[in-house]
Amino acid sequence: GEDVEQSLFLSVREGDSSVINCTYTDSSSTYLYWYKQEPGAGLQLLTYIFSNMDMKQDQRLTVLLNKKDKHLSLRIADTQTGDSAIYFCAEKVAGANNLFFGTGTRLTVIP
Amino acid sequence: DADVTQTPRNRITKTGKRIMLECSQTKGHDRMYWYRQDPGLGLRLIYYSFDVKDINKGEISDGYSVSRQAQAKFSLSLESAIPNQTALYFCATSAVDIGTGELFFGEGSRLTVL
Repeated sequence: GEDVEQSLFLSVREGDSSVINCTYTDSSSTYLYWYKQEPGAGLQLLTYIFSNMDMKQDQRLTVLLNKKDKHLSLRIADTQTGDSAIYFCAEKVAGANNLFFGTGTRLTVIP
Repeated sequence: DADVTQTPRNRITKTGKRIMLECSQTKGHDRMYWYRQDPGLGLRLIYYSFDVKDINKGEISDGYSVSRQAQAKFSLSLESAIPNQTALYFCATSAVDIGTGELFFGEGSRLTVL
């Protein structure tokens, strides 16, 4: 399968910015996604970026894509305690019918 | 009511038992998926189905089987459960084109095999 890597844990103080990183191996990725999983719940799509884009901003969320280095990041500005969750990056590879998920990063926001 | 409903939410069973996890959806999506989540491994695809007559193996289908009884229902079976199948299982749906769309997940079924 595809290799999508993330750090397992991240802690930040409330009000600071969080940056969650992801690396992937398949250069034929067409779309890359960030999903959020809150405790006891399924995953929910936060945002996605098409592979020919470098950046996408949506309110407090900024997604950066470095296609040369196969690196994706999610920046959350003014992080709140409600942002505490597990964040998964995922990729859709050309010709594939499903998504490949990373290992997930558990974000803990300290009040 | 949830758009993607999984039952049971929690199940403890013994090695060798047959287990069925059920998923139903009200989103009207043709595509349905079963994923398994393990700590440190993320989500891995077990099986997926694009319509009632279509079943496809995912990354880790060994030890599992599925049935697509109707557009809205997709069940996952473990014929003879073993302890390393202890995990959190998610059902998900998507519209025809997954590219710009999203996967809609159920709340998960936690299975423990003793």
